[in-house]
Amino acid sequence: DQQVKQNSPSLSVQEGRISILNCDYTNSMFDYFLWYKKYPAEGPTFLISISSIKDKNEDGRFTVFLNKSAKHLSLHIVPSQPGDSAVYFCAARSNTGNQFYFGTGTSLTVIP
Amino acid sequence: DAGVIQSPRHEVTEMGQEVTLRCKPISGHNSLFWYRQTMMRGLELLIYFNNNVPIDDSGMPEDRFSAKMPNASFSTLKIQPSEPRDSAVYFCASSLQGTMNTEAFFGQGTRLTVV
Repeated sequence: DQQVKQNSPSLSVQEGRISILNCDYTNSMFDYFLWYKKYPAEGPTFLISISSIKDKNEDGRFTVFLNKSAKHLSLHIVPSQPGDSAVYFCAARSNTGNQFYFGTGTSLTVIP
Repeated sequence: DAGVIQSPRHEVTEMGQEVTLRCKPISGHNSLFWYRQTMMRGLELLIYFNNNVPIDDSGMPEDRFSAKMPNASFSTLKIQPSEPRDSAVYFCASSLQGTMNTEAFFGQGTRLTVV
């Protein structure tokens, strides 16, 4: 059963505009959330994270928002750049273990 | 550190053959994960080791799959016998458990094709 869900397989955005990637989770024991970026033929690389005690974390052009009551998080990229084109994975970790559970990914294309 | 190292990068094998994927985690990391990437399930957690001990193998799809971690610097994922539906990219990742919030670091992956 998929505990972390990314319902949009793909997203296209014009360069300079905002990209919003969404993620939902079902396990209320998750307390740490991460976003990874993956280019073809490479492993996923860590992008940004947020603890459950926060509702927002910002790092340059990347901001992650967490809505615990809705079990929803989102990644905002602004302004979007062509180099941001990649697959983005949402991940979560439970406070009862150290496993990271991943979603199915969203393929972002930033159009120049 | 060179990061998580996986070998081979590509593996093509015939159905019924044994396949062994290898992983060297980042030195000092005490948690190791094997994932399989598929379109349907994204990054699917197969098994998780902590201090070389398997903690959760509930994601291992069948008895044909087995994983070992004989020491802190080496792990294997074995498929015997392999089937075409096992074709996927397999990732190994490691992290340092015990720190408050830390991410998992991934290797480059092994692309397995079973024909």
